[in-house]
Amino acid sequence: QVQLVQSGAEVKKPGASVKVSCKASGYTFTSYDINWVRQATGQGLEWMGWMNPNSGNTGYAQKFQGRVTMTRNTSISTAYMELSSLRSEDTAVYYCARVRDYRGIWFDPWGQGTLVTVSS
Amino acid sequence: DIQMTQSPSSLSASVGDRVTITCQASQDISNYLNWYQQKPGKAPKLLIYDASNLETGVPSRFSGSGSGTDFTFTISSLQPEDIATYYCQQYDNLALTFGGGTKVEIK
Repeated sequence: QVQLVQSGAEVKKPGASVKVSCKASGYTFTSYDINWVRQATGQGLEWMGWMNPNSGNTGYAQKFQGRVTMTRNTSISTAYMELSSLRSEDTAVYYCARVRDYRGIWFDPWGQGTLVTVSS
Repeated sequence: DIQMTQSPSSLSASVGDRVTITCQASQDISNYLNWYQQKPGKAPKLLIYDASNLETGVPSRFSGSGSGTDFTFTISSLQPEDIATYYCQQYDNLALTFGGGTKVEIK
């Protein structure tokens, strides 16, 4: 079945960077865009950006421009999201999500989420 | 960015009740509006895409309607397993945004 499996929880100090992975299975990795969405504890969903795994093209939410980098390794069907200059407000669960199909931008499936805690 | 105003932020209803959630966009987004369900500790799940299309496998008690700036999500008969937070999401442009969420509880 189509599945996205993310890397485990991370604890980082302010100013550090974190890189979260998202391994795809059950479909052709390069055929569907991957997006990243985060959720602070008890808060709503916040879209961070997208990546086309075939071309490597990316698009980032303005809020994260300059701090986020989305990459991929097609040989292992894995997408990555790296966030730098971490601050306490970046403490959140980070999700990868696949665009469902070519007709529009809705997400299914989602990864299980990766908790990133930023604390000194 | 397009702002999505979702209301109410929370509601309490009885099993069997009809539940309605609204989502208003700050500008015309045609029908580029999706709805998700999120249960505690879980990733969101797609329920409705393009305002009114029910995702495969989703119970028919869920429905969506609207276009332009005003959208509605309805649960026709609330079930205990529907306890969750519901989010709308627009994709009119590549700056995607979500509504603030509606937490649905059982009275």
